[in-house]
Amino acid sequence: KAGVTQTPRYLIKTRGQQVTLSCSPISGHRSVSWYQQTPGQGLQFLFEYFSETQRNKGNFPGRFSGRQFSNSRSEMNVSTLELGDSALYLCASSLDRPSGYTFGSGTRLTVV
Amino acid sequence: AQKVTQAQTEISVVEKEDVTLDCVYETRDTTYYLFWYKQPPSGELVFLIRRNSFDEQNEISGRYSWNFQKSTSSFNFTITASQVVDSAVYFCALTTNAGKSTFGDGTTLTVKP
Repeated sequence: KAGVTQTPRYLIKTRGQQVTLSCSPISGHRSVSWYQQTPGQGLQFLFEYFSETQRNKGNFPGRFSGRQFSNSRSEMNVSTLELGDSALYLCASSLDRPSGYTFGSGTRLTVV
Repeated sequence: AQKVTQAQTEISVVEKEDVTLDCVYETRDTTYYLFWYKQPPSGELVFLIRRNSFDEQNEISGRYSWNFQKSTSSFNFTITASQVVDSAVYFCALTTNAGKSTFGDGTTLTVKP
């Protein structure tokens, strides 16, 4: 069965731009979580969606937002990009919390 | 607030040695879930195990074993007879029943041949 698919794998953006990342969960999984991974801050929880509703949110500014569609696919948007937003963004899906999450390979975002 | 501490930033062992990765957590919730993940150089996190707060039974899976002790808020992970393929970053994580997840900073394990 297909795993969690994140697109694109790599992205380079300029400061001030906005970016949208996509995540397709494992078929049947309704919970999708997003994480930011940086060398300095480690893995930090961004938000979690379940059945198109945001259930939880981490401590990130409002520039970070997301949504989930009826087919459980999720998108994450970052507006007004800053250099510090450069990171690996990981998406994880599960049947429901707190099953073991299956992670995607991530999207490596570089802001220049 | 919750916190996960992996005190060992880096560990280096020689193949076939046993190695234990430590994880200590803090939470005020009575129901919570603990996880271990492996992150190889490819970047994808691989789920290894989940334990809920009511299940203190230790678990063994092949060369991997986990020791969960609520009294010390620890959830340690042991690899027996380590292999080069075990080299990776290992993360311990805690998720509350409300769904908020916290990861430790990770332990980089290097297994030398």
